[in-house]
Amino acid sequence: GAGVSQSPRYKVAKRGQDVALRCDPISGHVSLFWYQQALGQGPEFLTYFQNEAQLDKSGLPSDRFFAERPEGSVSTLKIQRTQQEDSAVYLCASSSRGTDSGANVLTFGAGSRLTVL
Amino acid sequence: RKEVEQDPGPFNVPEGATVAFNCTYSNSASQSFFWYRQDCRKEPKLLMSVYSSGNEDGRFTAQLNRASQYISLLIRDSKLSDSATYLCVVKESGGYQKVTFGIGTKLQVIP
Repeated sequence: GAGVSQSPRYKVAKRGQDVALRCDPISGHVSLFWYQQALGQGPEFLTYFQNEAQLDKSGLPSDRFFAERPEGSVSTLKIQRTQQEDSAVYLCASSSRGTDSGANVLTFGAGSRLTVL
Repeated sequence: RKEVEQDPGPFNVPEGATVAFNCTYSNSASQSFFWYRQDCRKEPKLLMSVYSSGNEDGRFTAQLNRASQYISLLIRDSKLSDSATYLCVVKESGGYQKVTFGIGTKLQVIP
């Protein structure tokens, strides 16, 4: 596609509900990142995929957070038993080359704004 | 200590002013550096990469000081449309090159 597409754009969940956020990166992009951005903060790294391989999940805040990219294209971030502190914008970004080459530009999706009541 | 540190501001400047932001990073092995711009309730977008020799793009100038581990962004002749949050971004070397964002510096250009 022309850009990174994320859905849903807005999600309201009751505390304890499970949510799934989808990211459709730019076609052919190898690298895919998930970030969490709380109000007034910068994007905080959650996890990184190179093709279908999840190379780094060190930023996932708890075992309630799970991400996958089974075919190396679309990725899903799942949050189980949501808590109020999970309320944030979840940003997905992709880039065109494997990150062990030169400077790569991240292109972001518009984000999924999650509100947990 | 955070890996990438920025003054969150806000910086309130009049139109036409020159404003500069700094950003420091903790990992001396960091390889690549960028400034991203984020408008309110929008996603971050690349403003410019930062090269060792410094680089300029119109009214914007970026500098890198590896010895002191900081990068800077200078905006000349500020426009109202420059009002946004400016995010400092650092990419590590080695491995898969983790990309880390600063908290962002908020700029408000006032008429």
